[in-house]
Amino acid sequence: AQTVTQSQPEMSVQEAETVTLSCTYDTSENNYYLFWYKQPPSRQMILVIRQEAYKQQNATENRFSVNFQKAAKSFSLKISDSQLGDTAMYFCAFVLNNAGNMLTFGGGTRLMVKP
Amino acid sequence: DTGVSQDPRHKITKRGQNVTFRCDPISEHNRLYWYRQTLGQGPEFLTYFQNEAQLEKSRLLSDRFSAERPKGSFSTLEIQRTEQGDSAMYLCASSRRTVGNEQFFGPGTRLTVL
Repeated sequence: AQTVTQSQPEMSVQEAETVTLSCTYDTSENNYYLFWYKQPPSRQMILVIRQEAYKQQNATENRFSVNFQKAAKSFSLKISDSQLGDTAMYFCAFVLNNAGNMLTFGGGTRLMVKP
Repeated sequence: DTGVSQDPRHKITKRGQNVTFRCDPISEHNRLYWYRQTLGQGPEFLTYFQNEAQLEKSRLLSDRFSAERPKGSFSTLEIQRTEQGDSAMYLCASSRRTVGNEQFFGPGTRLTVL
């Protein structure tokens, strides 16, 4: 079974600064995908960024980037130039490259961006 | 807006009652997922459909839970004889068939069992 661990239950950052959220996972498989999802207060979950395990290059999406370390099974999210709208729960998620596509989520990190 | 919709958004029920939730996925998505999220936790997978076929069920899905997707479009999740431990947010998501594709989530149905 796959597990995803987010070791930081809560974090805070000043507006315009950079913050990194940690995620580790455990799997014996080699082909999989990793995601970061954002869940703002009382709003639905949206995808922030996706990484294919077979790609060595780290994914980036505007102010969001990841540090994917496959050997260490680590997948951290860096948010640059933090904005008030980045305040949310952030979930790291994992899916195997098989027919199911069922996501396994970590416990989440609550990020507060302070003005 | 053609995103994933769920109905109702909130449901309060008494222990022992039956409840049914509905999910309408994005129309061109043939995969539909149900997840359960308790307060302060990440979502946990319950079950998923590809078109009308229910292909996987989690051990979390006890005999009191049943899900259907009769025409491969909307889906319903029914909980019979609700228990206080069923109180949670029930999330629906949909995606295209290709593995690794983004799952689009609905706003969820928050169930409170008194």
